[in-house]
Amino acid sequence: SQQGEEDPQALSIQEGENATMNCSYKTSINNLQWYRQNSGRGLVHLILIRSNEREKHSGRLRVTLDTSKKSSSLLITASRAADTASYFCATDRAGANSKLTFGKGITLSVRP
Amino acid sequence: EPEVTQTPSHQVTQMGQEVILRCVPISNHLYFYWYRQILGQKVEFLVSFYNNEISEKSEIFDDQFSVERPDGSNFTLKIRSTKLEDSAMYFCASSEATGGTEAFFGQGTRLTVV
Repeated sequence: SQQGEEDPQALSIQEGENATMNCSYKTSINNLQWYRQNSGRGLVHLILIRSNEREKHSGRLRVTLDTSKKSSSLLITASRAADTASYFCATDRAGANSKLTFGKGITLSVRP
Repeated sequence: EPEVTQTPSHQVTQMGQEVILRCVPISNHLYFYWYRQILGQKVEFLVSFYNNEISEKSEIFDDQFSVERPDGSNFTLKIRSTKLEDSAMYFCASSEATGGTEAFFGQGTRLTVV
């Protein structure tokens, strides 16, 4: 089964708009993390939300977690052209020594 | 800000050759990982390492792969006899603890096997 499936697969928005990206997973988790990857570059950690948390904020980022629906969303408010990147959710499971399972990623394009 | 560093950024090697990818994790971190990303695909877990031994490995991490922490700072991934399908971006990551702490990734080494 696939763990950490994001949708949409691609999202194109205008600068200043909000971007909402969703992630679903299948097994129970300890934590869910969101990462950004600029084209061909490394993974930049954005935010971690624990399984007992429902919402977390960091600057222009807002993450929610619904463990009953096994889903998370990442909201980027007031998007900028520099937010153009691929975004991945990654989950780790209880007892799995923090091994991360990544989704396929969402390609976000922010048009100036 | 502390960061995970990887060298080289790009490595081209002939099929059948051995390669060693190097990583310097964040200094106070205790858990180390290697992941890989084949072009256009998901990031996949390879191996985790703690207390000088492998704590978990995936099916991808077969006998051709090995990891080592030769000194107090470096963490290496060795591929003994590279295959074309080993071409990928390899990421090193480290975390302070297990379970509930952020994993920080390096910029990756792009390995091209020709």
